[in-house]
Parts: sequence; C-alpha cells; structure tokens
Amino acid sequence: DAGVTQSPTHLIKTRGQQVTLRCSPKSGHDTVSWYQQALGQGPQFIFQYYEEEERQRGNFPDRFSGHQFPNYSSELNVNALLLGDSALYLCASSPQWLDTEAFFGQGTRLTVV
Amino acid sequence: SQKIEQNSEALNIQEGKTATLTCNYTNYSPAYLQWYRQDPGRGPVFLLLIRENEKEKRKERLKVTFDTTLKQSLFHITASQPADSATYLCALGDSSASKIIFGSGTRLSIRP
Repeated sequence: DAGVTQSPTHLIKTRGQQVTLRCSPKSGHDTVSWYQQALGQGPQFIFQYYEEEERQRGNFPDRFSGHQFPNYSSELNVNALLLGDSALYLCASSPQWLDTEAFFGQGTRLTVV
Repeated sequence: SQKIEQNSEALNIQEGKTATLTCNYTNYSPAYLQWYRQDPGRGPVFLLLIRENEKEKRKERLKVTFDTTLKQSLFHITASQPADSATYLCALGDSSASKIIFGSGTRLSIRP
C-alpha cells in the first residue's frame, strides 16, 4: 500500500500564475482533505471532498478550488497566485467515518516568486 | 473565534525523562482530540485519538489526557529518546467534523 501520494513534491510559480496539485489517497479511503501549512505554523484546513463533492470549506478565497475524481483522487487548484500562497500543501485521506486518524501525504512545497 | 494554543517555545528534554506537551483550546467543543508528529519537510503522522468522554489514552510510551472542563489536553512521552525529537501537533474535531483544526505545534528536542 503506497499510502497517500502527492505530486509534484516541489514547485516554483510566478505571481499571477495558476497551479494544480494532485493527491492519490490511501487505498480504501474515500475522503480527501487539503491543508495549507506555512512555515512554523500548523496545517490550515482548505476543504474536504467526499463522493466528488466539496463537503466543507475553510476560510480560503475562491481562488482555491478543488476536484475529486471517481477513483477518489483529488486536485487542488489555485488561481492568481500571490506571494503569500507559498507554503507546504498537504493532502490527507481517511475513510468515510469522521473521527479517525487522517493519513497525510508528504506534501507539495509551493514557492511563489 | 476557535483557537488552539500549544507551547510556543521549543521544549528541550534530557533523554530518559518524560516530555509533557500542552494543548489548550477556546471557543470550541470538540468531540475528539488528536495528536500528530511531524518531522521537517514531511506530512504529519497520526499518534493518538482521544474522545470527549475519555479521560486518558495510552499507547506504548505515549499518554494523552483530555480535560473538557479545563479545555486542555496533555501529551506525555515517557522514557524519551533522541528519535522522539520532532514537532508535535494537537488537532480538534467536532461531532460533525469534516475538518480538523490544528494547533501551531510544539517543537520537541531530546538531547542525549
């Protein structure tokens, strides 16, 4: 079992550009959550997907959007990148029931210049 | 607004001693609380979950307490080892939780 995999691992983008990050959940997991982690901070919840629908969203602008595919994999899209979007983006997967552990990927380090 | 506070300063402990990390929260009624370990440049790794109706949970050298009156959780690592050096994150979820709210973490260093 490969666990949660994210791609790419590192990315450098220019202000104003758009970026797409990808996540494959752990086998058997149908729920995917995305987090943004700035240096020295805890992960901040962006949104969660279940059955291809956004189930809940954190306090992030509409520039942040996502998608979940029938195979449960997910994408995070960020439009009109700002310098402040530079962070580690983490994907976490879990089974449908809510109060269990979340399995995190290694993250994608996004740098906006 | 909901707030989670963890030891802001790094914690330095002598090998073999017990490390105790604190998580305090306000404006929140969590159904459960989780602790994660995070190494530099890596994603968090789940350690323990404790529910609101549980006072204490143990797993090997780890122990977590949860006091919903004080709105506090304590995380203990007994017989600490240098390999325990990492950042430890506290996270809360409610009964309808689709999302987990994380604290900013405490960096723990165990010196030989």
